[in-house]
Amino acid sequence: QVQLQQSGPGLLKPSQTLSLTCVISGDSVSSNIAAWTWIRQSPSRGLEWLGRTFYRSEWYSDYAVSVTSRITISPDTSKNHFSLQLNSVTPDDTAVYYCARDQGEAFDIWGQGTLVTVSS
Amino acid sequence: DIQMTQSPSSLSASVGDRVTIACRASQSVITYLNWYQQKPGKAPKLLLYSASSLQSGVPSRFSGSGSGTDFTLTIRSLQPEDLATYYCQQTYSTPLTFGGGTKVEIK
Repeated sequence: QVQLQQSGPGLLKPSQTLSLTCVISGDSVSSNIAAWTWIRQSPSRGLEWLGRTFYRSEWYSDYAVSVTSRITISPDTSKNHFSLQLNSVTPDDTAVYYCARDQGEAFDIWGQGTLVTVSS
Repeated sequence: DIQMTQSPSSLSASVGDRVTIACRASQSVITYLNWYQQKPGKAPKLLLYSASSLQSGVPSRFSGSGSGTDFTLTIRSLQPEDLATYYCQQTYSTPLTFGGGTKVEIK
């Protein structure tokens, strides 16, 4: 069955870069059906879609306006994973970050979640 | 952005009760509406997609209805394991957005 396994640091200082990786098993990051997505959850923002990357004969990415100037979501086909990079973090970026598979209808597979805390 | 509003924000019900949760979109999402269940400390789990299609493995006591802007999640006979927070989410347009959640407690 399809599984997503997240990894990355959980504690950052303001202005640092958040980097998380989501390893895919049982599917391919190059799937022509799925979109590989990052979502975060915090008490203040609730569940917030951050963006996605997907392959449809070529690679595409799109992002939430709230983070578009600071975010990159990118695939790694050799390792079958995708990554989130969020620059210049502030305490407002403190949240549980999830990777998820979007099969075009819904987020049907989720990673286990990573609590990222931004604090000086 | 499409705003998703759920009601109530929390409810308490007894085992065996019928529970209904509402979700309203700020504009029509046709039937591009999904429901998730999240238990404490866990990732959300997909329950229903396209407003009324039951995800594989989800008990049949969960059902969904609605179209346009108004949707409903129904739990036909509440079970102790249904203690969770439930979220609606639209996939009609980006940014994909979620409701604020409905916390279901067992009396």
